[in-house]
Amino acid sequence: DAGVIQSPRHEVTEMGQEVTLRCKPISGHNSLFWYRQTMMRGLELLIYFNNNVPIDDSGMPEDRFSAKMPNASFSTLKIQPSEPRDSAVYFCASKPGQGNYEQYFGPGTRLTVT
Amino acid sequence: GENVEQHPSTLSVQEGDSAVIKCTYSDSASNYFPWYKQELGKGPQLIIDIRSNVGEKKDQRIAVTLNKTAKHFSLHITETQPEDSAVYFCAVNRDDKIIFGKGTRLHILP
Repeated sequence: DAGVIQSPRHEVTEMGQEVTLRCKPISGHNSLFWYRQTMMRGLELLIYFNNNVPIDDSGMPEDRFSAKMPNASFSTLKIQPSEPRDSAVYFCASKPGQGNYEQYFGPGTRLTVT
Repeated sequence: GENVEQHPSTLSVQEGDSAVIKCTYSDSASNYFPWYKQELGKGPQLIIDIRSNVGEKKDQRIAVTLNKTAKHFSLHITETQPEDSAVYFCAVNRDDKIIFGKGTRLHILP
């Protein structure tokens, strides 16, 4: 039974480039979350979707960040243009639906912006 | 908004001894309190959770206790083993989201 799948696992890019991170949630899960993890700020929620609809994007740092969920089995987090301070591990998590709080995390994407 | 404080930030215990990690929260409306374990290079994994209608829950060597009046909850790991070395996060729910503490790095000493 596949868990949350994220790609790529590692991304190294130069400042100013566009970066796209991808996530496939667990089949049947209706909620999807994007997190960023750094040593300084810990695990921060960026945005989450219920039934493919963005519900809360208050954690998105700035307009350079955008997220989409075109269907129930795929989501992207895009950074354009990227900056060195965006270097972090980005996690995607999914859960079955509203009222069920158990989130299941993917393995993460380690992003390095030079 | 919800504030989750977690202590200590690092903890070293001798193999076989017990480890305790504590968290406090601010929103009295919170009713779900999970604990996650994160191993190096992996995503956080749920290890145990508790809801506000119970005060304690146990699963083999791990247990969680909740004091809703004082707004604090704790993770207890007994008979620690090398594979318990990891970063542990407490969390509380806020609406349909969960808010994480800053984490505790647990070292099990041989």
